[in-house]
Amino acid sequence: AQTVTQSQPEMSVQEAETVTLSCTYDTSENNYYLFWYKQPPSRQMILVIRQEAYKQQNATENRFSVNFQKAAKSFSLKISDSQLGDTAMYFCAFMKPANNDMRFGAGTRLTVKP
Amino acid sequence: DSGVTQTPKHLITATGQRVTLRCSPRSGDLSVYWYQQSLDQGLQFLIQYYNGEERAKGNILERFSAQQFPDLHSELNLSSLELGDSALYFCASSAQGTEAPYGYTFGSGTRLTVV
Repeated sequence: AQTVTQSQPEMSVQEAETVTLSCTYDTSENNYYLFWYKQPPSRQMILVIRQEAYKQQNATENRFSVNFQKAAKSFSLKISDSQLGDTAMYFCAFMKPANNDMRFGAGTRLTVKP
Repeated sequence: DSGVTQTPKHLITATGQRVTLRCSPRSGDLSVYWYQQSLDQGLQFLIQYYNGEERAKGNILERFSAQQFPDLHSELNLSSLELGDSALYFCASSAQGTEAPYGYTFGSGTRLTVV
């Protein structure tokens, strides 16, 4: 079974600074998808960014980018120019396309300080 | 509004009771997924349906059951409730087809409190 590990339960960053959240996963699959979801205090799950394993280029979405290291099975999220609204739980997720089974890490609680 | 509708938003019930959580997927989505999120924890996969049929099952208790109806809405039934069942229950849906490369769209969840 695939496992997703987020080793940082909590992190904090000053507003306008850059922060990187770590995620590693374990799989024997070659084709899969990786995601970062944000869960603000409202508890809504919001997709931040996604990466397809067969694409070498790292995904970017405005201030959010990933560092995808397939051989190392690492998928970190970098948030640039952090904003107060980025304060949330961030979940890394792995999905096998064969059955759309998505598994989540335990999450990292990020606090952006003014 | 994500397009995935979950009702009710909040539910308070006593131990031993049975409740039904309802989910309407985003228009056009055939797949529905249920997840449980206990306080300050990650999301635990419960069960997945595709076009009315069960496709995958996670760590779902025998006291829990689900189904997806012809109109594609889904219901999660929780019976003989225990205090430990208190959690946020998410429903999510994914686009048509057998793959979901763009991930899921989540509903806003149902907060279940068992007292």
